[in-house]
Amino acid sequence: DGGITQSPKYLFRKEGQNVTLSCEQNLNHDAMYWYRQDPGQGLRLIYYSQIVNDFQKGDIAEGYSVSREKKESFPLTVTSAQKNPTAFYLCASTSDAWGPGMANEKLFFGSGTQLSVL
Amino acid sequence: KQEVTQIPAALSVPEGENLVLNCSFTDSAIYNLQWFRQDPGKGLTSLLLIQSSQREQTSGRLNASLDKSSGRSTLYIAASQPGDSATYLCAVRREDNQGGKLIFGQGTELSVKP
Repeated sequence: DGGITQSPKYLFRKEGQNVTLSCEQNLNHDAMYWYRQDPGQGLRLIYYSQIVNDFQKGDIAEGYSVSREKKESFPLTVTSAQKNPTAFYLCASTSDAWGPGMANEKLFFGSGTQLSVL
Repeated sequence: KQEVTQIPAALSVPEGENLVLNCSFTDSAIYNLQWFRQDPGKGLTSLLLIQSSQREQTSGRLNASLDKSSGRSTLYIAASQPGDSATYLCAVRREDNQGGKLIFGQGTELSVKP
């Protein structure tokens, strides 16, 4: 089955620790995204990548880092610099990345990772 | 700066009722608008996507409309069922297509009572 797989489902971080959230897709999508969701709030964009080996900061990139070495994978690292990391993290992908005329594809989401601080 | 607002934040209706969820956005320069469903502790599922040139899209009991000039969209759910209980989010994509980024509303939590 094609889709987006996020792991782990639950993750706990100790003070001063970096943790990495995994996101893998087999949809052959070019564009991938990381969103953060806090209770009662909409999704906020952390980072996005339109093509392999390239990524851009979103609205709340501070304290996070990403890599895009393979088309299928877009891991997110929550660093110790992120002082309030407790949230639900969602990875998404879409087949369109460039220009008008290609921009009307739906966004597909993974099932999310709940990150909590110990 | 584009802002997306959904009102009400929560809605409870009896089974069988027709209902409307609202989404408003401040900048009419959008490329498209999507409606998503989110079940508790789960990811989002895209329900309907309306291109800026379209007025509405339908899928089963769902109908989404778009009035780009007034900055509004509605999601109409006909003959609601308990299985429709979830949070519904709308999101807009900028006309300049900035990396395909979507801007989300906070969502409307819908509860359909049997």
